[in-house]
Amino acid sequence: ETGVTQSPTHLIKTRGQQVTLRCSSQSGHNTVSWYQQALGQGPQFIFQYYREEENGRGNFPPRFSGLQFPNYSSELNVNALELDDSALYLCASSSTGGQGAGYTFGSGTRLTVV
Amino acid sequence: GQNIDQPTEMTATEGAIVQINCTYQTSGFNGLFWYQQHAGEAPTFLSYNVLDGLEEKGRFSSFLSRSKGYSYLLLKELQMKDSASYLCAVRTGGYNKLIFGAGTRLAVHP
Repeated sequence: ETGVTQSPTHLIKTRGQQVTLRCSSQSGHNTVSWYQQALGQGPQFIFQYYREEENGRGNFPPRFSGLQFPNYSSELNVNALELDDSALYLCASSSTGGQGAGYTFGSGTRLTVV
Repeated sequence: GQNIDQPTEMTATEGAIVQINCTYQTSGFNGLFWYQQHAGEAPTFLSYNVLDGLEEKGRFSSFLSRSKGYSYLLLKELQMKDSASYLCAVRTGGYNKLIFGAGTRLAVHP
């Protein structure tokens, strides 16, 4: 069984630009959640997708948006990048809408906004 | 509000035992997780508690008291490779989001 793959691994963007991050879910998982982890902090919940619908959102502005595709892979889009958006972005896949203990995290995308 | 507290840093000696505490105040509770995270890497799953009591898994054990909003992770026979951040996370909300603490950086010395 494959794990969770995120791309790209590193990215540098300029303030005001837009970025798309990608995540492939683990085989058999239908739920993907995204987290932002600033340096020295724990991950912060951005949103979750279950069967292609957003079914939960954290305290992030609308310029953070996402998609989930029929194969359960997912994208995180961030518009109008700000310096504070610099962080490690993690996605986690799970089954049955997040029940059970089966969260699998990807290695993350390190985004630097300059 | 949602709040998870854990010590920022801990140090321990190789071969020793260390206990990392976590206290939480959340609106709703549907399980508590412990993850290990090496710098720049993905969090890796260590343990999951949903009922009160102790869960043991090799060198790692985790305890939960729901009435006290308290958990700890116990690491035995410490090895140098255990130097990492340890994240406490509570699952809550109708859609089962994880709320993480800021993490505890553990340094294991020879």
